[in-house]
Amino acid sequence: GQNIDQPTEMTATEGAIVQINCTYQTSGFNGLFWYQQHAGEAPTFLSYNVLDGLEEKGRFSSFLSRSKGYSYLLLKELQMKDSASYLCAARSNDYKLSFGAGTTVTVRA
Amino acid sequence: NAGVTQTPKFRILKIGQSMTLQCTQDMNHNYMYWYRQDPGMGLKLIYYSVGAGITDKGEVPNGYNVSRSTTEDFPLRLELAAPSQTSVYFCASSSDRDTGELFFGEGSRLTVL
Repeated sequence: GQNIDQPTEMTATEGAIVQINCTYQTSGFNGLFWYQQHAGEAPTFLSYNVLDGLEEKGRFSSFLSRSKGYSYLLLKELQMKDSASYLCAARSNDYKLSFGAGTTVTVRA
Repeated sequence: NAGVTQTPKFRILKIGQSMTLQCTQDMNHNYMYWYRQDPGMGLKLIYYSVGAGITDKGEVPNGYNVSRSTTEDFPLRLELAAPSQTSVYFCASSSDRDTGELFFGEGSRLTVL
């Protein structure tokens, strides 16, 4: 099975940096994903890690440590439009993809 | 490409009724998934499929059934609807190439009264 934990809520100021942590336990790990979901919309893909290390895509970066079962999503230069829910998801070798409960990020002016 | 298409977008059911949520994708993806999302919560996996003719249970399969007779279609059947099945349902698909990221449909909002 898969157990995925992430904080429920985070608040930050426009222009700041926020780091969302995610811990996971999964049998047969085969990738860690981050998705963004605005209220009333479907999730959209942000990042993918399968090897240890940092993946950077513009203002968003994601880090993975397989030995620790740990990932984080780093959002830099926060903008108001970044207010959303951020979902951590772990995939197992049988392509079962399970999501955490999501972290609601509120960006304040 | 249309991507992942779900129908209907909204539906109200009475307790005990049955219905099918349709999902089709035109990206030739092997993997397809059904999730439900309750208000303020994350996505819970109901069923998934790794190819035509193959389906597997996810975390919350009770009260649902699926079939995968073609690569394109992955319908979700609700038998004997219950208020606990009031939720937003998302269908998604992915390939085994590149990152295998999920492509989601727009969601189907189901209310059981």
